[in-house]
Amino acid sequence: NAGVTQTPKFQVLKTGQSMTLQCAQDMNHNSMYWYRQDPGMGLRLIYYSASEGTTDKGEVPNGYNVSRLNKREFSLRLESAAPSQTSVYFCASSDGQRYVQYFGPGTRLTVT
Amino acid sequence: GENVEQHPSTLSVQEGDSAVIKCTYSDSASNYFPWYKQELGKRPQLIIDIRSNVGEKKDQRIAVTLNKTAKHFSLHITETQPEDSAVYFCAASTAGYSTLTFGKGTMLLVSP
Repeated sequence: NAGVTQTPKFQVLKTGQSMTLQCAQDMNHNSMYWYRQDPGMGLRLIYYSASEGTTDKGEVPNGYNVSRLNKREFSLRLESAAPSQTSVYFCASSDGQRYVQYFGPGTRLTVT
Repeated sequence: GENVEQHPSTLSVQEGDSAVIKCTYSDSASNYFPWYKQELGKRPQLIIDIRSNVGEKKDQRIAVTLNKTAKHFSLHITETQPEDSAVYFCAASTAGYSTLTFGKGTMLLVSP
């Protein structure tokens, strides 16, 4: 049981480049989330998917898009990376009822 | 939307002392309050949670109290140990939604 997995672990992009962060969970959870973590700012919700087939904006969605590919996988795409998107990105999942969220190991992204 | 304030931002204690971290929330409909611990370079992990129908919950050396009237909740760690050193995040979830709003975090340093 791997829980929540994320790829890649590290990534360096140049301004304007695009990339997709991948997330998968094997806990049969309905809900999945993408957060970014910046120093002193806590965890801020970018997008979430309450169930397969639905996605909604969180607190800081600008510059990002998401795809809930199936029940297991939820990807985050940066179409044109900017230095302000330098951050650590965490994916999380929950069963949608008990509200307990389980986090992946994170992706450290640097945009130069 | 929900707003969660967390204090203090840093807390230094001696091994064996108690530590208290406090959070306030704004949405009176919030009904679930988890606490996460994040060690350096690791993912956030749930350490304890409380629901709005309970005033206090304890798990060995950690406890959480909730005051719904005042809209605040606190994490109490007794007999602190160096391995308790980490960043602690509080969060609040609103009834009917599976999203969490996080506080900005408290860095707890336990000196031997």
